[in-house]
Amino acid sequence: SAVISQKPSRDICQRGTSLTIQCQVDSQVTMMFWYRQQPGQSLTLIATANQGSEATYESGFVIDKFPISRPNLTFSTLTVSNMSPEDSSIYLCSVVRGGVNTEAFFGQGTRLTVV
Amino acid sequence: EDQVTQSPEALRLQEGESSSLNCSYTVSGLRGLFWYRQDPGKGPEFLFTLYSAGEEKEKERLKATLTKKESFLHITAPKPEDSATYLCAVQSRSGNTPLVFGKGTRLSVIA
Repeated sequence: SAVISQKPSRDICQRGTSLTIQCQVDSQVTMMFWYRQQPGQSLTLIATANQGSEATYESGFVIDKFPISRPNLTFSTLTVSNMSPEDSSIYLCSVVRGGVNTEAFFGQGTRLTVV
Repeated sequence: EDQVTQSPEALRLQEGESSSLNCSYTVSGLRGLFWYRQDPGKGPEFLFTLYSAGEEKEKERLKATLTKKESFLHITAPKPEDSATYLCAVQSRSGNTPLVFGKGTRLSVIA
């Protein structure tokens, strides 16, 4: 498995502001992903965080709203910009070690409430 | 487009009452099917990976099976601590693609 530290665990933010979520892994991993889980819903992929290059975003998600950084193989950040109440959700970091290991492991999530 | 459908949405069992959760999927070449457990306020916890039809895996009271169209998570003699949402996800063979998740089955086990 992988030990994934995600910060903050929760936050309450004012609309129009931005929040940066950090994801730190205890060892190098091939793939890092960011998911969103809205209340009562399953996980929706926001983007794949690529090391040293721009993230790959899924349909419906754009870089201006969800800028992502991945400066190395163990760390990534997701920023939720210009927040509105519709952004209230749980945001999850996920990693895949790579090679023969295809399992994805998740951080504990960041519960975001926008007021 | 890869799709995952889980049923039922919610399941309430008495302690000791065995049952199964279903995960139906369509994928352009299956690389792996994954089961996760998610407790309220926490991230998903990895349970199993299944790679090919006919494969089975067990962990304590849970057993996962796979066919070409669906997977079952069998829960034998469940306990209240098995209460959680169980998520199914698939990954296609198209490169290092991320997982596609179902909406989950919310399991409640009553003592």
